[in-house]
Amino acid sequence: DAGVIQSPRHEVTEMGQEVTLRCKPISGHDYLFWYRQTMMRGLELLIYFNNNVPIDDSGMPEDRFSAKMPNASFSTLKIQPSEPRDSAVYFCASRTGLYNEQFFGPGTRLTVL
Amino acid sequence: GENVEQHPSTLSVQEGDSAVIKCTYSDSASNYFPWYKQELGKRPQLIIDIRSNVGEKKDQRIAVTLNKTAKHFSLHITETQPEDSAVYFCAARTGGSYIPTFGRGTSLIVHP
Repeated sequence: DAGVIQSPRHEVTEMGQEVTLRCKPISGHDYLFWYRQTMMRGLELLIYFNNNVPIDDSGMPEDRFSAKMPNASFSTLKIQPSEPRDSAVYFCASRTGLYNEQFFGPGTRLTVL
Repeated sequence: GENVEQHPSTLSVQEGDSAVIKCTYSDSASNYFPWYKQELGKRPQLIIDIRSNVGEKKDQRIAVTLNKTAKHFSLHITETQPEDSAVYFCAARTGGSYIPTFGRGTSLIVHP
């Protein structure tokens, strides 16, 4: 298995632009998580899905952030409009309810100028 | 909800020394405690975990201890090597929840 796949790996955009981050979880995993990592705030959980259904989005910072999971093998995190303070590394992770380990993707480093 | 405190935020040791990272948690119902290692520019990866029904677990040079009464757990790395340099995260997960709460991380630097 290739593990959790994220794209793009790096994204540089200008303030006000729309940003879409993509994630492909490990096949068979029924939980998918989106995290944001910054020096100031550490690793923050933004939202998680179970069987493609959003369960808890209380970590989503504002309405500018949205996430979808149209099927078991794909999820997106969208920021519209983007702001410089959104600059961070965004990780996607997946797991199955049968096991405890969360597998992280390689992350997307987002820079908003 | 669960709150996890991790100390120290930075730890600098000489190669061959031991390193200890400590975490405390607030929810007495937490029953699973994983530790992740994140090398510079890489993803967090699980290195060891412990469940609440055991007090200690070892895997070669790393070990984790758990004190349920005091609600704290620790990561011990012996005979540190430069490749142990990374950020280490502890986490706590309550029973029935699939969501671990992470500590803020400890940056471990091992000097050759």
